[in-house]
Amino acid sequence: AQKVTQAQTEISVVEKEDVTLDCVYETRDTTYYLFWYKQPPSGELVFLIRRNSFDEQNEISGRYSWNFQKSTSSFNFTITASQVVDSAVYFCALSVGGNKLVFGAGTILRVKS
Amino acid sequence: NAGVMQNPRHLVRRRGQEARLRCSPMKGHSHVYWYRQLPEEGLKFMVYLQKENIIDESGMPKERFSAEFPKEGPSILRIQQVVRGDSAAYFCASSPGGGIPYEQYFGPGTRLTVT
Repeated sequence: AQKVTQAQTEISVVEKEDVTLDCVYETRDTTYYLFWYKQPPSGELVFLIRRNSFDEQNEISGRYSWNFQKSTSSFNFTITASQVVDSAVYFCALSVGGNKLVFGAGTILRVKS
Repeated sequence: NAGVMQNPRHLVRRRGQEARLRCSPMKGHSHVYWYRQLPEEGLKFMVYLQKENIIDESGMPKERFSAEFPKEGPSILRIQQVVRGDSAAYFCASSPGGGIPYEQYFGPGTRLTVT
């Protein structure tokens, strides 16, 4: 069975601080995909990144970066110089076999000005 | 290029009524997924469909829930005889399909309230 754990229920930071959201996953499959989604207060889900299990290179996109470590089964997400607009719920998800996503419980990020 | 469309955005039903939620996938996408988000919880997979086929319904409750994706028209998630516990946000996602898990693009969700 697959499982995703986001241990941080809620994080509060002050604008311009860096923040890391943790994600730990469990699967016995060697081929899998990991995702991050953002859910702003308006409620929609916004796709941020997809990473496959064979690509452990870290990725950077603007202020966002992702650290994938198979040795610890983690796929952590860092926001540099956080902004108020980053306030949202962030979900980490796992896909095995190409269809359904297994989501973590989400981390609420509050960025204060 | 329109995104995933869901309607209605908000739906209020009394206990015992039926709820019908519609999802139109992105243009060119032939795979549809339904997820449910209960209050204060993450999203839980319900069902995965392709045109005229249910591929995986392992997350669907055994009773009262059904889903379809006809050859023409939107995908429908149907909940019969709704109960208060069905109150949730229901999200639809679509993907182009294929052999690898493409990113799933989500619609804005339908918020169902059962009174």
